[in-house]
Amino acid sequence: GAVVSQHPSWVICKSGTSVKIECRSLDFQATTMFWYRQFPKQSLMLMATSNEGSKATYEQGVEKDKFLINHASLTLSTLTVTSAHPEDSSFYICSATRTGFANTGELFFGEGSRLTVL
Amino acid sequence: SQQGEEDPQALSIQEGENATMNCSYKTSINNLQWYRQNSGRGLVHLILIRSNEREKHSGRLRVTLDTSKKSSSLLITASRAADTASYFCATENGNKLVFGAGTILRVKS
Repeated sequence: GAVVSQHPSWVICKSGTSVKIECRSLDFQATTMFWYRQFPKQSLMLMATSNEGSKATYEQGVEKDKFLINHASLTLSTLTVTSAHPEDSSFYICSATRTGFANTGELFFGEGSRLTVL
Repeated sequence: SQQGEEDPQALSIQEGENATMNCSYKTSINNLQWYRQNSGRGLVHLILIRSNEREKHSGRLRVTLDTSKKSSSLLITASRAADTASYFCATENGNKLVFGAGTILRVKS
């Protein structure tokens, strides 16, 4: 099956610093990537949809300037949490599709990145 | 907004028993998917059932879909300790997947 790699798997940072999380599709070209946030024992909340070469589409309530998303190539999307604060601590998961559609079962997930902001 | 809602929220069973999880959704769909998530890991796609299908099997998994009731169920037969995980249903909203709250399944050996 298709492989999506997410890095780092966990990161601890000081309040006020920025953290970058990478999501790579290793064996396919991902026209669309999705970024999710998950709180403990809760479901995934879609943050934004990222299409290669264009600006990300953010969900309502997600701060664009806080969570910068870049999808510069067909195999890499990055999420940068800027000026992180303790309330940004969470589990961030990316997913990628080669078809451009999320509803076909061809959606592959990274292993997630756990961010802890002190 | 979350479209799929699962019940129960948590389920604890003995190895060998069957586990049934239910999902309800609110709008019309083209298909419904079930995913599994081990603790602290990413999601793994389990099965997709189309709106014109009523039942689908994959190994020890059996999924049903009732579009008139806007509900789906996931049955895991002969459960194993390794089935311990969270299970989510997901429906589409445009080109996005919306996940339900999930069921935490614990299989005791």
